[in-house]
Amino acid sequence: RKEVEQDPGPFNVPEGATVAFNCTYSNSASQSFFWYRQDCRKEPKLLMSVYSSGNEDGRFTAQLNRASQYISLLIRDSKLSDSATYLCVFEEDSNYQLIWGAGTKLIIKP
Amino acid sequence: DADVTQTPRNRITKTGKRIMLECSQTKGHDRMYWYRQDPGLGLRLIYYSFDVKDINKGEISDGYSVSRQAQAKFSLSLESAIPNQTALYFCATSDGTAKQFFGPGTRLTVL
Repeated sequence: RKEVEQDPGPFNVPEGATVAFNCTYSNSASQSFFWYRQDCRKEPKLLMSVYSSGNEDGRFTAQLNRASQYISLLIRDSKLSDSATYLCVFEEDSNYQLIWGAGTKLIIKP
Repeated sequence: DADVTQTPRNRITKTGKRIMLECSQTKGHDRMYWYRQDPGLGLRLIYYSFDVKDINKGEISDGYSVSRQAQAKFSLSLESAIPNQTALYFCATSDGTAKQFFGPGTRLTVL
């Protein structure tokens, strides 16, 4: 089983819609989780951390389900500018080595 | 100005050539990383450094070497480039937390 699995997509979503995608991880000892955003041919940028109790940042909501070992990202009222690849990341050990998913591609259409 | 810079941004080279990719940062972070990204795969860690005197191999260090010349500089070398090292290479820094900050990437093609 891969350490991190994401649906590669693409998810084609109309502007204004709500979209959600999950990411599963295999290391039950993982402590820190993140969503990064990567635009085409650009560097990844931190979107948000994922906290145990779930957290929200504007239109973005991240959730962690430890029992089923997945994290999720929900985007409400999607904008054209949300089109990007979303990378799921978790911390493998206390040395802050990060394990990266291959990403889910999101395309928001007018 | 960008906090993490990489040079060159694009490079085409031939099999067997020695290549150096350079990374500089003005964030004042001690920790620096080199990753490669291939289509359909997640970022894979090549080497990382927690300070000037600390160098550690990552998941895929074979065929690569690094040098941490100063807190702000971390270079990646391919001693004898081969075609399967064609990839997008990213340098990243962190402040001791798990959050990382990336340079713009170097697109390397080995013919």
